Amino acid sequence: KQEVTQIPAALSVPEGENLVLNCSFTDSAIYNLQWFRQDPGKGLTSLLLIQSSQREQTSGRLNASLDKSSGRSTLYIAASQPGDSATYLCAYAGGTSYGKLTFGQGTILTVHP
Amino acid sequence: DTGVSQDPRHKITKRGQNVTFRCDPISEHNRLYWYRQTLGQGPEFLTYFQNEAQLEKSRLLSDRFSAERPKGSFSTLEIQRTEQGDSAMYLCASSAPRAEAFFGQGTRLTVV
Repeated sequence: KQEVTQIPAALSVPEGENLVLNCSFTDSAIYNLQWFRQDPGKGLTSLLLIQSSQREQTSGRLNASLDKSSGRSTLYIAASQPGDSATYLCAYAGGTSYGKLTFGQGTILTVHP
Repeated sequence: DTGVSQDPRHKITKRGQNVTFRCDPISEHNRLYWYRQTLGQGPEFLTYFQNEAQLEKSRLLSDRFSAERPKGSFSTLEIQRTEQGDSAMYLCASSAPRAEAFFGQGTRLTVV
């Protein structure tokens, strides 16, 4: 069974800190990986998509990297703000999956003022 | 286009009743997915459509579940004879091939 593990499960930081969320996966044949944000009781908001041929993607204060050989991705959030508080989910699409996403359980982030 | 739209946002039903959810994808996306998410877990894949064809179904999708996507536009997910274990958030997503997936706000189902 292909799996996705996200570490840490929960993280609480003071405003302004830079932080790293980790995602590891077992499928070596992924063709993209996506990071999402989910607010309580809401749907998923796409943050970044990294194709298998790419090493990283950046959007504003967010930077995501992908290392297929080690089965790892990281999401770096710079200068965290209370509005960043949410659950962050990573998910990959396998090579023959028609874009079906396999998700981790998420990292619950709390940024306190 | 305003993104992926799901209706209703919340549904409370009695055990044994049938429920139907609707998803309107982003109009130019030919791929549509349904996922289920329970509290504290990541979403789990249920089924996938490419245009009007249902190409993959998860083992999670028991015989009580059926999904359609007539004419390759909106999709419906029906659950017959609901059980308490069906209580979850049902999420719909759409995408173009090999591109970013966009999710709707989900339908929260509570079976009492």
